[in-house]
Amino acid sequence: QITLKESGPTLVKPTQTLTLTCTFSGFSLSTSGVGVGWIRQPPGKALEWLALIYWDDDKRYSPSLKSRLTITKDTSKNQVVLTMTNMDPVDTSTYYCAHRTTGLRMFDYWGQGTLVTVSS
Amino acid sequence: QSALTQPASVSGSPGQSITISCTGTSSDVGSYNLVSWYQQHPGKAPKLMIYEGSKRPSGVSNRFSGSKSGNTASLTISGLQAEDEADYYCCSYAGSYVFGTGTKVTVL
Repeated sequence: QITLKESGPTLVKPTQTLTLTCTFSGFSLSTSGVGVGWIRQPPGKALEWLALIYWDDDKRYSPSLKSRLTITKDTSKNQVVLTMTNMDPVDTSTYYCAHRTTGLRMFDYWGQGTLVTVSS
Repeated sequence: QSALTQPASVSGSPGQSITISCTGTSSDVGSYNLVSWYQQHPGKAPKLMIYEGSKRPSGVSNRFSGSKSGNTASLTISGLQAEDEADYYCCSYAGSYVFGTGTKVTVL
């Protein structure tokens, strides 16, 4: 059974760096083709894809946010970490991590999400 | 990469069929058959309903179907039920992922 869970601060100040951790079980990020992505959703608004890391450490980023994002993995801990620099109130969102199955361009398992508020 | 365009809302009566459109460009929706659809109930995480345009994951009702024509993908819900009332998002892959603007489905 695949599960994912996001963790991190619920409140960050403007200009600070956000660090979120996705801890997962039921799969290995060393399995060929597997990936873990991050998606966010501002309150009452649409989903927005942020980043994805593959089993082979290949990384992909949203073109509009690429300069602010870094995604890394720790296969031994079954964790994926997303950092976002220079946080702004418009970055207030629920942040989700999600599993990408081998060979398929979709997210089939999602974490419950974590709400991050950016405010001074 | 701009968000894919979906109607803000679609409604239907129980038992009816509704279709949600998702319009992109020849660079994303039109280039690949890699559109996925997600259902999201209030306060919940999205749930995968359709992938690769028309394939259903195990456990998803066959009342949900997907298709594509040109730069527009569509999700059809047949035999509409009260539990289908939710937000729906399309997502296309073209080197990176882009989600749609979202559609609120209301069951009258």
